[in-house]
Amino acid sequence: DTGVSQDPRHKITKRGQNVTFRCDPISEHNRLYWYRQTLGQGPEFLTYFQNEAQLEKSRLLSDRFSAERPKGSFSTLEIQRTEQGDSAMYLCASSSDRTSGYNEQFFGPGTRLTVL
Amino acid sequence: AQTVTQSQPEMSVQEAETVTLSCTYDTSESDYYLFWYKQPPSRQMILVIRQEAYKQQNATENRFSVNFQKAAKSFSLKISDSQLGDAAMYFCAYRSAILGGGADGLTFGKGTHLIIQP
Repeated sequence: DTGVSQDPRHKITKRGQNVTFRCDPISEHNRLYWYRQTLGQGPEFLTYFQNEAQLEKSRLLSDRFSAERPKGSFSTLEIQRTEQGDSAMYLCASSSDRTSGYNEQFFGPGTRLTVL
Repeated sequence: AQTVTQSQPEMSVQEAETVTLSCTYDTSESDYYLFWYKQPPSRQMILVIRQEAYKQQNATENRFSVNFQKAAKSFSLKISDSQLGDAAMYFCAYRSAILGGGADGLTFGKGTHLIIQP
C-alpha cells in the first residue's frame, strides 16, 4: 500500500463555486480524519469517521461543509459556496483501531485550495 | 477544550548539534497521548515520536527524545546530532485517550520551523 492519497493536490476556484475533495485511506484503516491547515498554523480537526459513520464534527465545520464515507473506504469533503476564508490546505489522515492504543494517524499530502 | 502551545515560531541549529523544541499543553484529562509530527516542505506530515501520559519514562526514537513533565504539562522534543534532513515544521499534538468518546481528533500547536545550518 502506498499510503493515504488525496485528489486533487491543488484546486483553484472562484468564490461561490462548489468544490469536492477525495481521500483514499490506507486500505486496512477503518478510521478517517479531515483537517484544515491555514498558512502559518497547525492543522485543525474538522471531522472523523469510523467505517462509514461520521462520529465527530468540529464547530469549524460550517453548514457549507459536508463529508461522506459511503462504503467505509474513500471519503469526500465538499465545500459549497466557497469563500476566500476557505483557502487552506485540507489534510486527510487514516488510522486503525485494531493496532496500538495510541492509534497513529497517517497523513496524506493534502489538497491545497485557493479561492479567488 | 484542550490547547497546545508552541512558543518558538522558528529555531536554528548547526548541523550535528542538539536542539530542543518546546511544547506546553492544557487539559483537564489524566489520560492522553502526546505526539511530535514533522512536516517537511511540500511533503506530508509524519509521526516522529509519541508519549503516553500514563508512562513516566520519556520516549526515545533514535536521535529524537522527549522530556515529558506531566505536572508542568510540558512536552519538549530534543533532536541530537541534527541533520540537514531534519529541516521541517515540527508540530506538537495532543489526543485524548478516551476510547469511543469521539474525541479522536488531534489538537495541534502552531508549529516550530526548524532550520539546520550546514
